[in-house]
Amino acid sequence: GENVEQHPSTLSVQEGDSAVIKCTYSDSASNYFPWYKQELGKRPQLIIDIRSNVGEKKDQRIAVTLNKTAKHFSLHITETQPEDSAVYFCAASLYNDYKLSFGAGTTVTVRA
Amino acid sequence: DTGVSQDPRHKITKRGQNVTFRCDPISEHNRLYWYRQTLGQGPEFLTYFQNEAQLEKSRLLSDRFSAERPKGSFSTLEIQRTEQGDSAMYLCASSPGTGGYEQYFGPGTRLTVT
Repeated sequence: GENVEQHPSTLSVQEGDSAVIKCTYSDSASNYFPWYKQELGKRPQLIIDIRSNVGEKKDQRIAVTLNKTAKHFSLHITETQPEDSAVYFCAASLYNDYKLSFGAGTTVTVRA
Repeated sequence: DTGVSQDPRHKITKRGQNVTFRCDPISEHNRLYWYRQTLGQGPEFLTYFQNEAQLEKSRLLSDRFSAERPKGSFSTLEIQRTEQGDSAMYLCASSPGTGGYEQYFGPGTRLTVT
C-alpha cells in the first residue's frame, strides 16, 4: 500500500516568515495529494490539494508543489501568522481508490 | 451546520463492552469513510462506502469491528468486546464521489477504553 513520509515533525517560525513542509510517497500511481490543518481538539480541515496533472497550486498565502518524478510534494506557507499554528498533515490517494494515506503530521508553531 | 457530524463526541467504556458510533455525512455525498487517529499520528483508513456498499476494509479492521450504511445516508461503526488498544479518535469523512475527491471530516468520536 501507499506509504507517506512527512518532514519535519515540528517546525517553529517567526511570525511573517515562511514555513515549508515536505512529504514523499511510495506509489507512483498516486494522483491526488491533499493537505489538512488540524487545530487542537478539532477536525482535520482541507486547506489545499493538488492533482498529478498539475505541478503547482496556490491559494493566497499557501501553495503546494508536486514533483512526480521524485515522488514528493511540499506545502509552503508565506507570511505566517499566529493562527497558522496547528498540526498539518499531507496525504496521498490512488486514482479510483479514494482512501487517503496520511503522513504523521507536522506541528507548526508561529512565534509572535 | 451542513458539515459532517458525528455522535457521540466522547465515549468512555469498560474493556469488553460494545460501542457504536454514528456519522452523518454532508448531504448528497455518496462516499463515506471511517478513519482512526491515535495521538501524534495521522488518520489511518479503516473502511469506506459508496452509497450503501462497503467497498474496502483495512486490515486494521478486525472481526470485532463492523460498519454499515444501510440507506446510503448515515453510517454506524460498531466495536465489539472493546480492548484498551481501541482507544483512539474515530473520524468520519465524506466526499461527493464521482468527480469529487475532496474529503471533509467530521469532529470525531473520542473513545477511551478503561
